[in-house]
Amino acid sequence: EVYLVESGGGLVQPGGSLRLSCAASGFTFSNHEVHWVRQVTGRGLEWVSKIGPSGETGYPDSVRGRFTGSRENAKNSAFLQMNSLRVEDTAVYYCVGRRGYGYGIDYWGQGTLVTVSS
Amino acid sequence: DIQMTQSPSTLSASVGDRVTITCRASQSISNWLAWYQQKPGKAPKLLIYKASTLGTGVPSRFSGSGSGTEFTLTISSLQPDDFATYYCHRYDTSPWTFGQGTKVEIK
Repeated sequence: EVYLVESGGGLVQPGGSLRLSCAASGFTFSNHEVHWVRQVTGRGLEWVSKIGPSGETGYPDSVRGRFTGSRENAKNSAFLQMNSLRVEDTAVYYCVGRRGYGYGIDYWGQGTLVTVSS
Repeated sequence: DIQMTQSPSTLSASVGDRVTITCRASQSISNWLAWYQQKPGKAPKLLIYKASTLGTGVPSRFSGSGSGTEFTLTISSLQPDDFATYYCHRYDTSPWTFGQGTKVEIK
């Protein structure tokens, strides 16, 4: 069974930094892309980052230049480094994956809450 | 960026009702569309991908249709477990975008 477990969320002041981690198991991690998706409490879903099998990345305009995705295939782990955090970045952050190109998001972590507040 | 417009935002229905949710893309996305179900405090669950392919273990009362710019999710006979929020998601190119969500409530 596939598991994605996020950690690293918490309370941070505006302008601060936080690093989220995602530990994966149950599939060949090095062959699959990993994404981060966030959800403001009671609101919709927003795609935040893509990390390809070889570390290639993609971001929406809302976080580009502030967020950096990375991975360590040997440790079956992915990361999201978040800098210059804003109040509007407050959300539950999910680490997600899929079986392959063309599939929807099959696998979701439980989410980790990031709160940006003074 | 390609935007997704999902409707309605809220839907009141009874057990046994046929329910339809619509998602429109601002430009063609072929069939690169997924639907998810989310219950309070839980991560979303994949229902449909490639517009009409049922996800693993998803009951057959769920179906998806459409291509290009207009898509629908249909629940043929609403069950008590189906009261939840539903999202569409386009994944043809980056950036991925999601619909605003449809909350299915008990009438």
